[in-house]
Order: sequence, then structure tokens, then C-alpha cells
Amino acid sequence: AQSVTQLGSHVSVSEGALVLLRCNYSSSVPPYLFWYVQYPNQGLQLLLKYTTGATLVKGINGFEAEFKKSETSFHLTKPSAHMSDAAEYFCAVTLLNNNAGNMLTFGGGTRLMVKP
Amino acid sequence: NAGVTQTPKFQVLKTGQSMTLQCAQDMNHNSMYWYRQDPGMGLRLIYYSASEGTTDKGEVPNGYNVSRLNKREFSLRLESAAPSQTSVYFCASSDLLGIHTYEQYFGPGTRLTVT
Repeated sequence: AQSVTQLGSHVSVSEGALVLLRCNYSSSVPPYLFWYVQYPNQGLQLLLKYTTGATLVKGINGFEAEFKKSETSFHLTKPSAHMSDAAEYFCAVTLLNNNAGNMLTFGGGTRLMVKP
Repeated sequence: NAGVTQTPKFQVLKTGQSMTLQCAQDMNHNSMYWYRQDPGMGLRLIYYSASEGTTDKGEVPNGYNVSRLNKREFSLRLESAAPSQTSVYFCASSDLLGIHTYEQYFGPGTRLTVT
């Protein structure tokens, strides 16, 4: 079975500061990893994903994440926060299973607040 | 392309009432999913349909039923609503074929309150 832990349900940063949202996973086999963003009263939008290849992946809006197998982590970063980054962020993992679709397991979410 | 659409956007039910949440996708995806979102718990899978004609239980299926009406449509039914089913419900779709993007595409959600 797979699981995802996001450390910190709320993170507050100042505008222009580094954003670091933490995600750790447990999986018996190499996983595929995702970060989704949810703006208020909206659905989820994919920020970035890791499947295979380069372990540092870049996504939309200046976000990036690094897959570290030894640490079972997939932390999300952005060098400089913008007010528009305020949202809830979800880390998710899937084990590709052709019989069952790519079922996602989500972390509990981290609400990012950006102070002016 | 509208992507994934859900109806209704909002719904208030009384305990014991029934209702069906509708979901449709226009991306020709094989797989469709229903999740519920509750504070601090992320999204939890209720039911999924890996392909047309198949449905399977997810993590929290009790109190729900689903129908994969055709390749485009996947509905979620609450037969006898309970306050514990107050939540935001999301439908999603994905496809394993083609370029294997592994991405799920989400609808805008349905906010359900059961009193």
C-alpha cells in the first residue's frame, strides 16, 4: 500500500521569500509523484509530475520539485513567493496499474499563505 | 473542450434524501474517478471506473453507488444521505493510453451539505 504525508497543514511566507512544501511517501515500488494546486472554490490543477528520468522536475508558475528516492521525498519549492501563489497544495502518488487505472493517493494538503 | 464538468455545483439535502451527482468528460478518457474532499484529509477515492463497463470500490465507498453510463459519463448516487456525507465531491478522468501522461483531470467540484 502507498501513503503520502505532507508536513505542515499551513505554511505562511512573505512575498518574495522561498516557498518549501514538504511531501514524503511510502511505497513498495518506485512511484509516480504529483503536485496539484487548488485555488479557492476551484478544482485541482496539475503543477508538476515525476514519472521517470530527471529527478528535478519543473512545473507551471515557477514551481519545481525534486524526487529523492533515498529520502522518499518529493518536496515542492519556488524561489520567490507571489501573492497569487496562495492556495492549497496536494502531493499525490500512484502506482501504475493497468487493471485499475492510475489510482492516486493524496496527502492531507498544505495551505500556503503569502503575506505582503 | 470543456474538460470535466460536474452538476450540480451546490446542493443541500436533508438526512435520508437521495440524489445523483453527474460527471462528464469530453477528452475520450478511459478511466474516471469520484473523490470526496474533507478538511485535513486531502482527497479520498470513493469509486473508480478503469474503463467503460467496469466500476470498483475505492477507499471510502460506503453509502455510495456509481454508474458508468457510457465512456463520457460517470455518476455518483447517494441513496440515503447522512450528515457525514457533507463534503466537496470531485470527479476526475485520465487515460493510460497514448503518451502515458498519468495525469488526472479534475472537475470543479460539487459542494454538498446534508442537514
